[in-house]
Amino acid sequence: GENVEQHPSTLSVQEGDSAVIKCTYSDSASNYFPWYKQELGKRPQLIIDIRSNVGEKKDQRIAVTLNKTAKHFSLHITETQPEDSAVYFCAANRLTDKLIFGTGTRLQVFP
Amino acid sequence: DTAVSQTPKYLVTQMGNDKSIKCEQNLGHDTMYWYKQDSKKFLKIMFSYNNKELIINETVPNRFSPKSPDKAHLNLHINSLELGDSAVYFCASSHLNKGHEQYFGPGTRLTVT
Repeated sequence: GENVEQHPSTLSVQEGDSAVIKCTYSDSASNYFPWYKQELGKRPQLIIDIRSNVGEKKDQRIAVTLNKTAKHFSLHITETQPEDSAVYFCAANRLTDKLIFGTGTRLQVFP
Repeated sequence: DTAVSQTPKYLVTQMGNDKSIKCEQNLGHDTMYWYKQDSKKFLKIMFSYNNKELIINETVPNRFSPKSPDKAHLNLHINSLELGDSAVYFCASSHLNKGHEQYFGPGTRLTVT
């Protein structure tokens, strides 16, 4: 079955710097790759997703890139702000199958 | 206006008890899920129902029994609670063949003493 690895487990950056979180997946048939943000004590919320027919997607300060050959995808946050501090989860699946989540990255943005 | 709601938000109970968590979604989705998030924040799927039919049943002790009375509701009943069941349980819903974005409920923090 699908396995998703996520790195790093923790990431500390200075406000205004960029943050990059990387994930690799094992099932080459996976075609949907969402990223969720979970603030302390809150529910996970989708922030961006990408499908396998696209190599990059951007939404304001966040972007996701996908390399299907290497089976990895990354989340890029530019101009980080303290409110970006949260746990970020990547996930992967085939569209009609269960989502497999990565182990999470705790991002801390210091003012 | 709540999209996915869960009750209760907190549940403190003793080992050996039986408890239920309820979930409701008003998004018109056809698929609902239960996830367990442990103390290390790992999010692991437990069950999924599509149009009231069980479609995902992970390796979960049979003390856990989901029930979906209709497409908008998915409940989780847990028998003979154990210390290791302490976690946050999230319900989620999605439209299986349209976009697949999963909307999560606020979570139920279960503490077994």
